[in-house]
Order: sequence, then structure tokens, then C-alpha cells
Amino acid sequence: AQSVTQLDSQVPVFEEAPVELRCNYSSSVSVYLFWYVQYPNQGLQLLLKYLSGSTLVKGINGFEAEFNKSQTSFHLRKPSVHISDTAEYFCAVTPGRDNYGQNFVFGPGTRLSVLP
Amino acid sequence: ETGVTQSPTHLIKTRGQQVTLRCSSQSGHNTVSWYQQALGQGPQFIFQYYREEENGRGNFPPRFSGLQFPNYSSELNVNALELDDSALYLCASSPGGPRPQNEQFFGPGTRLTVL
Repeated sequence: AQSVTQLDSQVPVFEEAPVELRCNYSSSVSVYLFWYVQYPNQGLQLLLKYLSGSTLVKGINGFEAEFNKSQTSFHLRKPSVHISDTAEYFCAVTPGRDNYGQNFVFGPGTRLSVLP
Repeated sequence: ETGVTQSPTHLIKTRGQQVTLRCSSQSGHNTVSWYQQALGQGPQFIFQYYREEENGRGNFPPRFSGLQFPNYSSELNVNALELDDSALYLCASSPGGPRPQNEQFFGPGTRLTVL
């Protein structure tokens, strides 16, 4: 079974400052990793995903994440945040094999608040 | 291109009642998954449908059931509603079958309140 930990439930940051949202996972099999964003009263939108290859993954809206297998982490970063980045961010994991289907396990989420 | 749509937007039911939630997948997407998102928590996987059959299920009791229709739209049915069933129910569709690397596109959700 897989599990996801997002240690920071809330992260306040000033506009144009850098931000890092932390994600750690546990799994007995290889995994695919995802970051989703949820704006108020909306569904989830995919920011980026790691399947294989380069451990640094670039996504939409200037976000990037780095996969660290030894630390079982997949932290999300943005060098300069904007007010519009205020939202809930979810890290998710799924077994990296076709026969497991799309059984996504989501973390509890981190609320990013960008302050003017 | 129309995205994933869900109906109704909001719903209020009382304990013991039954509810049906509906999802129209994005055009061409043949796989549909349902998630329950309780307030302040991440989504939890309920089940997934592919080719009109259940293709995987999370840790939810049998009173949570579903259907997928030939046009790939889907329904989530919940019988004998409990207070803890109050949550946002999200539907997600993806193209190309239930492969884990395929992106899931989420609808805006149905907010269910059980009184």
C-alpha cells in the first residue's frame, strides 16, 4: 500500500518570494508521483508528474518538483509566487505498473496563501 | 472541448436516504474514477470504471456503487446515507484506458450534505 505525507498544512508566503511545499511518500513498489492544485470551489488540476527519467520535473505556472528516491520525497517549488497561486496543493502517488490501474493516493493537502 | 461535468452541484439529504451523482466524462475519455473529499482532507479513491466495468476499488463499503454507460458517462450511488458521507464527490476521467501514467481530468465536484 502507498501513503503520502504533506507535513505543512498551511504555508503563508509573501508575493514574489520563493516557496517549497513538501511531500514524502511510502511504497513497497515503484511509483508515479503527481502534484495537483485545487482552487476554491473547483476540481483538481494537474501541475506536474514524475513517471521516469530526469528527477527534476517542470510543470505549468512556473512550478517544478524534484524526485528524490533515497529520501522518498517529491517536493514542489516555485521561485517567485503570485497572488493567483493561492490554493490547496495535493501530492499524489500511484503504483507505477499498469496492472495496478489508477489507484491514486492523495496527501492531506497544503494550503498556500500568498500575501501582498 | 467540454471538460468533465458533474451534477448536481449541491445536494442535501437525510440519514438513511439514497443518492445518485452523475458525471459526464471529457470527450473521448473512456476511464472514469470517483473520489470522496471530506472537508480539509485530500481526495480518497472510491472506485474506477473502464469499459462499463469496475476496474478497481478503494476502501469503501458496498453501499457505494457505480455504473458506467456506453457513452462513458458514469453514476455514483450511495445507499443508506450516513452523516460521515457528507463530502465533496469528485469525478475524474482519463483517455487511453486505466494506465497510471495517464492524466486524470477532474470535474468541479458535487457537494453532498447529509443531515
